[in-house]
Amino acid sequence: EAQVTQNPRYLITVTGKKLTVTCSQNMNHEYMSWYRQDPGLGLRQIYYSMNVEVTDKGDVPEGYKVSRKEKRNFPLILESPSPNQTSLYFCASSPGGGAGFNEQFFGPGTRLTVL
Amino acid sequence: ILNVEQSPQSLHVQEGDSTNFTCSFPSSNFYALHWYRWETAKSPEALFVMTLNGDEKKKGRISATLNTKEGYSYLYIKGSQPEDSATYLCAFEGTGGFKTIFGAGTRLFVKA
Repeated sequence: EAQVTQNPRYLITVTGKKLTVTCSQNMNHEYMSWYRQDPGLGLRQIYYSMNVEVTDKGDVPEGYKVSRKEKRNFPLILESPSPNQTSLYFCASSPGGGAGFNEQFFGPGTRLTVL
Repeated sequence: ILNVEQSPQSLHVQEGDSTNFTCSFPSSNFYALHWYRWETAKSPEALFVMTLNGDEKKKGRISATLNTKEGYSYLYIKGSQPEDSATYLCAFEGTGGFKTIFGAGTRLFVKA
């Protein structure tokens, strides 16, 4: 089944404890992206990647890191999480080099709480 | 930062009503406009990708139009059903990059 998977789905952690949220897609998509969703603000793009080893900042990249060493994986790293990073996180992928004319396929979401 | 606005923020309708929402986006450097449907506890799912001024797309009872010169898109739902209850998101992409800017969404409630 074609899908985008994220792990973990739920995570409660404490300030400063490094964590990684994994994202994997099995559709051979070139484009992958991370978003956070906060009430009243909609989806805000954190980072995106046009292809392996090519990443760029979205609108809210502060406090996050990403890497794209393989086409299928695009992990999101929080080196020192803070309470303002409590949010619902979505990973998405798209066939083309940019989302452009292509729809994005979203993962199931990761609900993160930082205490 | 580019701004994408959706209105209304929420909408309550009766089953069978027809309804529409608006997405406003920058009229310059337009590349594509996406509509997504997002049900509670699920992930957003794509409805339409629109790229040309005057584009009209249709999927069942849902349709959308695009005006890139004035920077807006309308989403229409004909004969709303309770299963149409969801948040409808639009997303703008401009030329010169691969960023996606989402609006905050319109939350639709359809009462049986």
